[in-house]
Amino acid sequence: EAAVTQSPRNKVAVTGGKVTLSCNQTNNHNNMYWYRQDTGHGLRLIHYSYGAGSTEKGDIPDGYKASRPSQENFSLILELATPSQTSVYFCASGVGGNYAEQFFGPGTRLTVL
Amino acid sequence: QQQVRQSPQSLTVWEGETAILNCSYEDSTFDYFPWYWQFPRESPALLIAIRPVSNKKEDGRFTIFFNKREKKLSLHITDSQPGDSATYFCAAKTSNMGYKLTFGTGTSLLVDP
Repeated sequence: EAAVTQSPRNKVAVTGGKVTLSCNQTNNHNNMYWYRQDTGHGLRLIHYSYGAGSTEKGDIPDGYKASRPSQENFSLILELATPSQTSVYFCASGVGGNYAEQFFGPGTRLTVL
Repeated sequence: QQQVRQSPQSLTVWEGETAILNCSYEDSTFDYFPWYWQFPRESPALLIAIRPVSNKKEDGRFTIFFNKREKKLSLHITDSQPGDSATYFCAAKTSNMGYKLTFGTGTSLLVDP
């Protein structure tokens, strides 16, 4: 059974609309991450969290908000979606510590028209 | 600011050959270097990792060679198999920044049978 799940798996949104991407993990990991993946850029960190109620800005946070209401759930919010936010978004969870392995969800393909 | 660089962008080898994927970094505080692989239409997953206290880490056909002085590392895949065809990401973590990973842009490996 998948330990990190994302919803929706595919989303088409209109420019200026609000988009919420959801992530749920059953690993009981403290840390959760949101990345976007674009050709030529690899994986870029948007927001991350060290636990319920905490969110931290990653390397490219502009235009995105995050929410961590519980240990299991971490959401990424695009208040005013733009075509430049068309991408594949991955959520990941990790226990932290010296080795910091992260476990990725299946991804959400977002298209903003 | 791209702190982890990978080369080549793409690589094709014949089945049975050794594939060499390169990675370099700038931040001397990086203390953990995982390699993730990603198969088409799947999410990234941890393949192998090394800490700077070692200059070599081996796991079956996969070996990381690490040169701390030159801030370079490489992933060698011996006896390459078609099933190794994937995108390989070099990543780095610094203890100064919690459990964030900085990813390179990836090397797309194709192993021809």
